[in-house]
Amino acid sequence: EIVLTQTPATLSLSPGERATLSCRASQHVSSYLAWYQRKPGQAPRLLIYDASKRATGIPARFSGSGSGTDFTLTISSLEPEDLAVYYCLQRGYWPWTFGQGTKLEIK
Amino acid sequence: QVHLQESGPGLVKPSETLSLTCTISGDSIRSYYWTWIRQPAGKGLECIGRFSTSGSTDYNPSLKSRVTMSVDTSKNQFSLNVRSVTAADTAVYYCAREAQYRGTWYADYWGQGTLVTVSS
Repeated sequence: EIVLTQTPATLSLSPGERATLSCRASQHVSSYLAWYQRKPGQAPRLLIYDASKRATGIPARFSGSGSGTDFTLTISSLEPEDLAVYYCLQRGYWPWTFGQGTKLEIK
Repeated sequence: QVHLQESGPGLVKPSETLSLTCTISGDSIRSYYWTWIRQPAGKGLECIGRFSTSGSTDYNPSLKSRVTMSVDTSKNQFSLNVRSVTAADTAVYYCAREAQYRGTWYADYWGQGTLVTVSS
């Protein structure tokens, strides 16, 4: 199965700063990659699909890029409510697999 | 607004069967894929399986021999059975809906998750 490696494991930034989260796939997955946000006590929320397309209602400060094996989620200007764990998911090959997550801390 | 809610026993004995149900409100169970995902404590998320009401089913090869998924369209519910459980099956279990986004299926709505502990 495809392994997704997310870096860094933890990211600590201040409001207004730019966050860059990475996800690397062990095999080519084309653009079949999604990003999810999971806030404490809440269900995961779909942010980005097809590597770069924002899901309905997602603020423009969230953007995704990449294809093949290397992907990036960028939050252009952090808000305090962006405190969460962010996961990438590949759905290019079954079984779909997730990265281990990046925990975003807001200073 | 679509809402998914997992339900079932929070404690299962080793070698027994883990059974969970996901109840969907705010939408029909038809025309989507429905997925079970789990996360053991301190570990990553794992897709267990997915199915559509048209009959298409995919199980994770690592669990395929022990897993069954079923649907009750009259109740807008679907279920998961995992047989012969061990402590390694202790996890938070999530149900999720997959919808088509520009032709590709992605999980967009998830339940809150339910913790199932395997212990005697």
